[in-house]
Amino acid sequence: AQSVTQLDSHVSVSEGTPVLLRCNYSSSYSPSLFWYVQHPNKGLQLLLKYTSAATLVKGINGFEAEFKKSETSFHLTKPSAHMSDAAEYFCVVREYGGSQGNLIFGKGTKLSVKP
Amino acid sequence: GAVVSQHPSWVICKSGTSVKIECRSLDFQATTMFWYRQFPKQSLMLMATSNEGSKATYEQGVEKDKFLINHASLTLSTLTVTSAHPEDSSFYICSASPSGGSIGELFFGEGSRLTVL
Repeated sequence: AQSVTQLDSHVSVSEGTPVLLRCNYSSSYSPSLFWYVQHPNKGLQLLLKYTSAATLVKGINGFEAEFKKSETSFHLTKPSAHMSDAAEYFCVVREYGGSQGNLIFGKGTKLSVKP
Repeated sequence: GAVVSQHPSWVICKSGTSVKIECRSLDFQATTMFWYRQFPKQSLMLMATSNEGSKATYEQGVEKDKFLINHASLTLSTLTVTSAHPEDSSFYICSASPSGGSIGELFFGEGSRLTVL
């Protein structure tokens, strides 16, 4: 069975410092992996996705994530945090061959950015 | 990017009443839309897949008679919570994918917060 574990429910960083949001997955087959961001009272926005192409995926707003099959991880990083990055982040997996909407969401990581 | 709009964004109702939530794709057509439910500090759970012109496909454990889904056009899907009870209070989110769009290209609505008194 597929699952997603976001290791931190809350991460707090200072503006200008690196961001690391951790995600581990469990999947029987080759998964598709996504990171979504949810700002307060806003819908989810796709940051980036991995679908069996390059293992280092670059997304919007300076975020990137690296797919590491040996570690079953898909951690999200950003070199320098901005105040506008404060939001809830969801790591999501869809198993190979799974329907488009049948996404497994992690519980989310709330990112706080201190000035 | 593509826009998906939900209405209402929040609603309060009395126990026993029914509530309808709309999900619209504003600038694209969507053959398929998806409905999720998000409990406080929990992840999103897929409730059902809404198919234009046909019956919705419900996930295991989701009561289809409780959560009525109608996808009457390529830009509109509705979720009706019938005879709502306090345990139905939750955040409901829809998503849609442009017909013919690439895998994973899902666009989410802003969510609808339902509170049942």
